[in-house]
Amino acid sequence: EVQLVESGGGLVQPGGSLRLSCAASGFTFSSTWMHWVRQAPGKGLVWVSHIKGDGSNTQYADSVKGRFTISRDNAKNTLYLQMNSLRAEDMAVYYCARAGVVGGFDYWGQGTLVIVSS
Amino acid sequence: QSALTQPPSASGSPGQSVTISCTGTSSDVGAYNYVSWYQQHPGKAPKLMIYEVTKRPSGVPDRFSGSKSGNTASLTVSGLQAEDEADYYCSSYAGGTNVFGTGTKVTVL
Repeated sequence: EVQLVESGGGLVQPGGSLRLSCAASGFTFSSTWMHWVRQAPGKGLVWVSHIKGDGSNTQYADSVKGRFTISRDNAKNTLYLQMNSLRAEDMAVYYCARAGVVGGFDYWGQGTLVIVSS
Repeated sequence: QSALTQPPSASGSPGQSVTISCTGTSSDVGAYNYVSWYQQHPGKAPKLMIYEVTKRPSGVPDRFSGSKSGNTASLTVSGLQAEDEADYYCSSYAGGTNVFGTGTKVTVL
């Protein structure tokens, strides 16, 4: 059974940093593109970043480029999102998602909430 | 990376059909047959309902169908049921990135 479990969310001050993790199981993690998608409270889904299975290709939304870094440890079946210089507008539930179908996301984690506030 | 445009709301009575549009550009929806649709109930993670414009994952009822014409994709839910009441989002590959729609709240009257 495919499982994605995010962790690492919490309260952080503006300008601070946080690292999110997504533990994957039930599939060949190293072969699969993975994504981060976020959802601000009461708002819609926004694509944040993706990474190829071997880590050789990454992309970011313009809103996070230069501040967020996606990475993965295939030995640990874990996806990461390092978030620096956090802003109030980064406050959201962050989901990791598997790109098991072309151009789409077939499995999602339960999400982890990031609160940016002083 | 502008969001795809969806109507804020749609509704129908049980047994009726509802269609949700998703309008993008020639750089995303119009350029690739990689449009997907997601259902999200309150407090839950999104669920994939349609991928590659028309394909349904295993377990998704055939009441859900997708189509595309030019820069606009559509999701049709036929035979509406109470459990179909949820938020629906489209998404498209955009040449190296992905973009989501603004979301549509479907109400079953």
